Amino acid sequence: DTAVSQTPKYLVTQMGNDKSIKCEQNLGHDTMYWYKQDSKKFLKIMFSYNNKELIINETVPNRFSPKSPDKAHLNLHINSLELGDSAVYFCASSRSAVLNYGYTFGSGTRLTVV
Amino acid sequence: QKEVEQDPGPLSVPEGAIVSLNCTYSNSAFQYFMWYRQYSRKGPELLMYTYSSGNKEDGRFTAQVDKSSKYISLFIRDSQPSDSATYLCALGPSNTGKLIFGQGTTLQVKP
Repeated sequence: DTAVSQTPKYLVTQMGNDKSIKCEQNLGHDTMYWYKQDSKKFLKIMFSYNNKELIINETVPNRFSPKSPDKAHLNLHINSLELGDSAVYFCASSRSAVLNYGYTFGSGTRLTVV
Repeated sequence: QKEVEQDPGPLSVPEGAIVSLNCTYSNSAFQYFMWYRQYSRKGPELLMYTYSSGNKEDGRFTAQVDKSSKYISLFIRDSQPSDSATYLCALGPSNTGKLIFGQGTTLQVKP
């Protein structure tokens, strides 16, 4: 039973389109994250939610909008996709916003914008 | 200057070798030090976790933190081909959820 699951695994889309990535965790964790991994493997935090409340919002274009309907789900909607948005997007969760236990990552969504 | 520096490698070693992976950092507020392992086309998985300074051992893996030098290390003894992956260090300040990752070091262990 997958702990943190993301859908879709692969997404190929044209510039200018709008797309969404969904994430669900069944670990009972309170905190969820979106990270972006570029082609050089840099992992950079984008957003974090704790019990549905946004607690970290890094310098990310307004075209990216996260939504957390409940603490088990965190979705990412991207408007007007650009070539530079191509990357692997990882969802992660942790027991709390305090780093006592580290993160559990999903397997990633590989986004390619053409 | 990046907050966390990690040599991306690649690092290639023969099976059975001792591997040393390192990160340096600049923010003295970091209290949580972790190592993640990422296999190709997979998500990172937590390998080792250390709070504050000191050593931690788990099987063939040893994590070391030297806060005075702002330097952390991961040692892998008796390396195996299955250890071939990218190893990312991750550091965080206390009481927030924000982890800062190093670029990752790609390791290949040859049979």
